[in-house]
Amino acid sequence: ILNVEQSPQSLHVQEGDSTNFTCSFPSSNFYALHWYRWETAKSPEALFVMTLNGDEKKKGRISATLNTKEGYSYLYIKGSQPEDSATYLCAFPTGANNLFFGTGTRLTVIP
Amino acid sequence: EPEVTQTPSHQVTQMGQEVILRCVPISNHLYFYWYRQILGQKVEFLVSFYNNEISEKSEIFDDQFSVERPDGSNFTLKIRSTKLEDSAMYFCASSDQIGGGGAKNIQYFGAGTRLSVL
Repeated sequence: ILNVEQSPQSLHVQEGDSTNFTCSFPSSNFYALHWYRWETAKSPEALFVMTLNGDEKKKGRISATLNTKEGYSYLYIKGSQPEDSATYLCAFPTGANNLFFGTGTRLTVIP
Repeated sequence: EPEVTQTPSHQVTQMGQEVILRCVPISNHLYFYWYRQILGQKVEFLVSFYNNEISEKSEIFDDQFSVERPDGSNFTLKIRSTKLEDSAMYFCASSDQIGGGGAKNIQYFGAGTRLSVL
């Protein structure tokens, strides 16, 4: 069983605040790390696929960094908006491309 | 934009009954997956399917579970005799990458079917 952990489990921030959370994963046999955004009652949506140590990816106000040597990835949200409220999942591909998910960070942005 | 669709959104069944959860993956995708999330727990991999056969399955995917792609569009998960502990959200996903260690293997998820076993 892989150890893919996310912290914090939940987070409340005020609208306009910037925030970040962490995904830690095994640093050996690294192929990629995926970030998903999952709003209640909707499909989990892929945000980023990180593949190289030092990768930094950006999508609007959301960005992510990757450190494969120490086994962590950060997800940053700049100027949080209520529509950013969701659960953010990281996932580690194993075997024949199946994804091993972390516990998720539930973000609530308070207007 | 193409999407993965799952039906029904909520299925209620009695313990011991058979259920079939249905998924329509994105049409040009080649890999198909089922995951589940028991309330309060992690999303867990169940099975992956490629070229009309199972390519990988987890320990959860025992003899009570089966998958099928009965025609060119549907992908189904059958639970033969449901147990209380099968109550969960079941997600279908599909992708268009083959092998490669999953490095660029974005999986597109459906919105899930909530299965409640009474």
